[in-house]
Order: sequence, then C-alpha cells, then structure tokens
Amino acid sequence: DQQVKQNSPSLSVQEGRISILNCDYTNSMFDYFLWYKKYPAEGPTFLISISSIKDKNEDGRFTVFLNKSAKHLSLHIVPSQPGDSAVYFCAAVDSSYKLIFGSGTRLLVRP
Amino acid sequence: DTGVSQDPRHKITKRGQNVTFRCDPISEHNRLYWYRQTLGQGPEFLTYFQNEAQLEKSRLLSDRFSAERPKGSFSTLEIQRTEQGDSAMYLCASRTAYQETQYFGPGTRLLVL
Repeated sequence: DQQVKQNSPSLSVQEGRISILNCDYTNSMFDYFLWYKKYPAEGPTFLISISSIKDKNEDGRFTVFLNKSAKHLSLHIVPSQPGDSAVYFCAAVDSSYKLIFGSGTRLLVRP
Repeated sequence: DTGVSQDPRHKITKRGQNVTFRCDPISEHNRLYWYRQTLGQGPEFLTYFQNEAQLEKSRLLSDRFSAERPKGSFSTLEIQRTEQGDSAMYLCASRTAYQETQYFGPGTRLLVL
C-alpha cells in the first residue's frame, strides 16, 4: 500500500520552460514533505520542503505547492535547465520521523 | 563542510558472504537512518538510531541484517549470508533533533552474484 505516489515515471521539458512534478499522498496525518533530486549512482540531494501549515514554499527556481484537501503536492521548476535532468523524489515525514518516498519521476530537460 | 559519508561506495560479493557498510553522519546530527533503494523505486526505510539507541526497525530488515551505532557517531550495517535479492543501493541519512530534513550520503551499491 503506497502512501506516497508519483504517478508520472518520466517527464520531458524544453529548456527554459516550466517543469511540474506531481505527488499524491494518502495519509492525512502527514504534515511535512520534502523533494529530493537524485543523479545516477549518487545519494538523494535535498531540494526544498514544505510544512502543512503552508501552501507554498519558494527557493530560487524551485517552488513547492501543497493542497492538503486534495492530498497533493507539486514541484515547479522555472526556468528548467539541462542540469535539472535527474530523478525527483517526493517524500513525506511519518509519525516516527522516517521518510516515506514516492517511486520518483525522471525529468529530462532538452536543450 | 563535510556531509554524510559512506564506505565503501561499491561492493560486489558472492552469495552467502557477509558484508558490512559504514556510515559517518554529519557531526552534530544525532539521528541516523538507513534506507535501501532498488531499481525504479524510491528509498525504503530500514532502521533508525537516536544517538546509540536503535529505535525502529522495518519489517524489511530480516534477521540477517544488523545495524549498530556504538558510540552515537558512525553506524554500521551488516548483512549476513547475502542473497541475490539483497542487491540494492544502501543509503544512510542523518538529521538534527530540531529539523525534519534528512541529508543523505552517496550510498553503497551492493551487487550479490
């Protein structure tokens, strides 16, 4: 039973355009979410997080939106750059502070 | 600024052998986590330490797996009698007591032949 789902395994975007990566969760008790970026053969790198008391958090080109009623969050990257090409994981912090990850979305930014 | 480090980065072993991985967390982080990632999946939680105390273990952690953090600093993860299904990337992460963000090491990629 997947509590965090990323239903799009891959996404291809033109350089300079917006990338939107989506994530859904089932457990309404989750109150903190994180996005990680992962290159092959490396560990996940923290990108941005959001608490459930907010509906938006922005850091440079990265913005995360949280819709609690829909149990949905999204990561927007604007403008997308070729160096953003990687696998992006959405994660929720559970009640014992471990991370519950989605299965990831592979982003390809085309020059 | 030293992040989380893991050693070795790669390990190839034969089925039935024992392997041990090491994780050195960020120095002021007293929480340490182990995760496992297989191809096409997100990382899955294995176990968690607060200082030297192991507070939670996943049901994924069979009795062939053992983890320690003897002095509340580095941690080791041992797999006994490895099986081909143990082939995966083993990730270590750490955090402080006051923030929820976990910072990951580069991982140890295990291949069991």
